[in-house]
Amino acid sequence: AQTVTQSQPEMSVQEAETVTLSCTYDTSESDYYLFWYKQPPSRQMILVIRQEAYKQQNATENRFSVNFQKAAKSFSLKISDSQLGDAAMYFCAYRSAFRGGSEKLVFGKGTKLTVNP
Amino acid sequence: EAGVAQSPRYKIIEKRQSVAFWCNPISGHATLYWYQQILGQGPKLLIQFQNNGVVDDSQLPKDRFSAERLKGVDSTLKIQPAKLEDSAVYLCASSLRAPSNTGELFFGEGSRLTVL
Repeated sequence: AQTVTQSQPEMSVQEAETVTLSCTYDTSESDYYLFWYKQPPSRQMILVIRQEAYKQQNATENRFSVNFQKAAKSFSLKISDSQLGDAAMYFCAYRSAFRGGSEKLVFGKGTKLTVNP
Repeated sequence: EAGVAQSPRYKIIEKRQSVAFWCNPISGHATLYWYQQILGQGPKLLIQFQNNGVVDDSQLPKDRFSAERLKGVDSTLKIQPAKLEDSAVYLCASSLRAPSNTGELFFGEGSRLTVL
């Protein structure tokens, strides 16, 4: 079974600074998707960024980028120019790309990000 | 485009009582998921539907939890009887069916259950 580990329960960053959230995963599959989801307090979970394992190029979405190291099974999220609205729980998640397999997301335990003004 | 709708947002019950949560997915999304998120943890899949059929319910405590998705659209998750450890946020999510999907799940705001 696949597992996702987020080793940083809490992180803090100063506004306008850069922060990196860590994620490692364990799988025997070669094709899969990795995601970072953001969950603000009492709000719905929304997708931040998505990476397909077969793509070597790291995904970027505006101020958000990932460092995907397939061999090391590492998938970190970098937030540049942090804003107060970035404060939330961040979840790393894994999904198999195997056709006919489960399409469920397997989540890590999350990292609570605080942004200090 | 309307998002995933869930109700109620909050529910407080006594242990051994029953509760039901409702979810309406995004229109056209064939796959529907119920996740349980206990405070301080990541969401855990309870059950996954493909249209009105169950794809994965391996982590659903079937002695007390049940779910249905009649007509392949909205879904209901029921807990009977509730235990203290069922206190959690119940998240509903939906997605397009592969190969049309991008792997992304779209989540509702969740239903927060407190069992006293």
